[in-house]
Amino acid sequence: GQNIDQPTEMTATEGAIVQINCTYQTSGFNGLFWYQQHAGEAPTFLSYNVLDGLEEKGRFSSFLSRSKGYSYLLLKELQMKDSASYLCAVRDSNYQLIWGAGTKLIIKP
Amino acid sequence: ETGVTQTPRHLVMGMTNKKSLKCEQHLGHNAMYWYKQSAKKPLELMFVYNFKEQTENNSVPSRFSPECPNSSHLFLHLHTLQPEDSALYLCASSQGETGGSYEQYFGPGTRLTVT
Repeated sequence: GQNIDQPTEMTATEGAIVQINCTYQTSGFNGLFWYQQHAGEAPTFLSYNVLDGLEEKGRFSSFLSRSKGYSYLLLKELQMKDSASYLCAVRDSNYQLIWGAGTKLIIKP
Repeated sequence: ETGVTQTPRHLVMGMTNKKSLKCEQHLGHNAMYWYKQSAKKPLELMFVYNFKEQTENNSVPSRFSPECPNSSHLFLHLHTLQPEDSALYLCASSQGETGGSYEQYFGPGTRLTVT
């Protein structure tokens, strides 16, 4: 079967750095997405990785290792508004998105 | 605002009722999706439409019936639902269904409660 694993919840301090991991086992691979979802709101797109390596976008970076079936989202200079759930999703060989259950990130002052 | 709107935002219905959820996208996208989101579970893809044609039906019970009259509008018709169908129903759209970094844009969702 297809599976995406992420930690259920993480806590970090304002101004710090946090890394959210995602491991996947899917039938084929056509890209990995990270989305942010604030409570009661729609998920919004953060990043896309299809080749190995690091993609940097401001305070957020996303890394991919296809051989290890592994990705992480790195958030720097954490702000209170970064408190949200972070969803990892992999597009499989049929171009369907397989979603993880999300990681709830709690930021403390 | 993501360019995808959904109505109603909240819906309470009995098991014998019939209701419809509406989604509209103002992004000129060609693909539209219905997802079910339950607490602490991954997003479940229900239906996919690409250029108004249904391309995916992920073994969804027949009490959920989608309709896509054009590339901008998507409906989910509900009838004789069960309490376990209570969830957040999200609509999304993307430029295409396959290829490239076609990210999906989500609407705010309809919070459905079946009593």
